[in-house]
Amino acid sequence: QVQLQESGPGLVKPSQTLSLTCTVSGGSISSGGYYWSWIRQHPGKGLEWIGYIYYSGSTYYNPSLKSRVTISVDTSKNQFSLKLSSVTAADTAVYYCAEGGDDAFDIWGQGTMVTVSS
Amino acid sequence: DIQMTQSPSTLSASVGDRVTITCRASQSISSWLAWYQQKPGKAPKLLIYKASSLESGVPSRFSGSGSGTEFTLTISSLQPDDFATYYCQQYNSYSLTFGGGTKVEIK
Repeated sequence: QVQLQESGPGLVKPSQTLSLTCTVSGGSISSGGYYWSWIRQHPGKGLEWIGYIYYSGSTYYNPSLKSRVTISVDTSKNQFSLKLSSVTAADTAVYYCAEGGDDAFDIWGQGTMVTVSS
Repeated sequence: DIQMTQSPSTLSASVGDRVTITCRASQSISSWLAWYQQKPGKAPKLLIYKASSLESGVPSRFSGSGSGTEFTLTISSLQPDDFATYYCQQYNSYSLTFGGGTKVEIK
């Protein structure tokens, strides 16, 4: 059974780059047909899709975040990563990785809280 | 972007009640709609995909219907474990969007 686990700093300074990694266990990230996404949730608010990547490296990003987002995949480590540049307090949120993008999100990580503060 | 509008935003109900949540899309999304349940401090859990298909392991009291721009999630008999926030999500377009959520509270 595939499981996802987010990791990365819980505190990022304003204007810096937020970097998170999602480790896939119980299955191969290179399995065809699967898309790997990042989703965030501001405190007390709803869900916002950030972007997704296919194992081949093809990506698609939320237009509202596109200029600051990079999602990459490392098949050798069975991981995919999120980089969000020039962060502000508005990027403070719980960040989830999930399996899905061309279909419903059926597998989620537990989420990791990232706070942007000096 | 396709906008997803859920109603109501909050719903008060009792155990045993039949509960219906509505989700409207700003343009047709065919049946490319999912429903999730989220409890405080937890990741969302997939309940329904393709508008009406029940995810494996999800109780049969949950059902989904609709196509095009209007969709509903129904809980036939609300159980104590069902008090949570529910989100719809469209995956018709490359840019994925969620509804604002419906919190189901104890009456």
